[in-house]
Amino acid sequence: AQKITQTQPGMFVQEKEAVTLDCTYDTSDPSYGLFWYKQPSSGEMIFLIYQGSYDQQNATEGRYSLNFQKARKSANLVISASQLGDSAMYFCAMREGEWSGGSNYKLTFGKGTLLTVNP
Amino acid sequence: ETGVTQTPRHLVMGMTNKKSLKCEQHLGHNAMYWYKQSAKKPLELMFVYSLEERVENNSVPSRFSPECPNSSHLFLHLHTLQPEDSALYLCASSQDMVSGAGFQETQYFGPGTRLLVL
Repeated sequence: AQKITQTQPGMFVQEKEAVTLDCTYDTSDPSYGLFWYKQPSSGEMIFLIYQGSYDQQNATEGRYSLNFQKARKSANLVISASQLGDSAMYFCAMREGEWSGGSNYKLTFGKGTLLTVNP
Repeated sequence: ETGVTQTPRHLVMGMTNKKSLKCEQHLGHNAMYWYKQSAKKPLELMFVYSLEERVENNSVPSRFSPECPNSSHLFLHLHTLQPEDSALYLCASSQDMVSGAGFQETQYFGPGTRLLVL
């Protein structure tokens, strides 16, 4: 089974509207971290937001918020007031397990969602 | 410079060539990574270095050889590559630490090197 599932290969949104990008994850470990990255056509992976499995509140960073539903194992990214510069690939990623000082560095990435913001 | 830088940004090489990719991080981190991103495939972790020691090698072919001379620099030496090795190679760094009840270990990426093997 896939560890990270992003079911939307592509999404379209009008400028200034909000958009939700879906991410579901699969882990039996009680400790994990969830990340969202943005990758413009230039190639650089830009960190957007982080949610820890023990965090009580949903993470927010400016126009980005993470809708964390632990029981459903979903970590959807919400972008408010979309801008033309938000057009890019968006990747959800997960790190599993407690940090043990040397072994749990692996991030597992989903296949991504291509977001297009229309003027 | 700030963040994570990678050189060259683009590279075309023949299958018999030897080349090296360079990554430098200016964030004071203690871990560095190489990832491979092929078309229509998820990002694949290749190598991890923590405190300049390799901690993971995800069954990467020996034609890829990493080197981490210090915590700020990471190289990927390439030799006798195959056309299927053409991809975007991304470097990342992180500061792995425990903080309170949880921990933050966000990986920050460089702009990548687009490699084409002919």
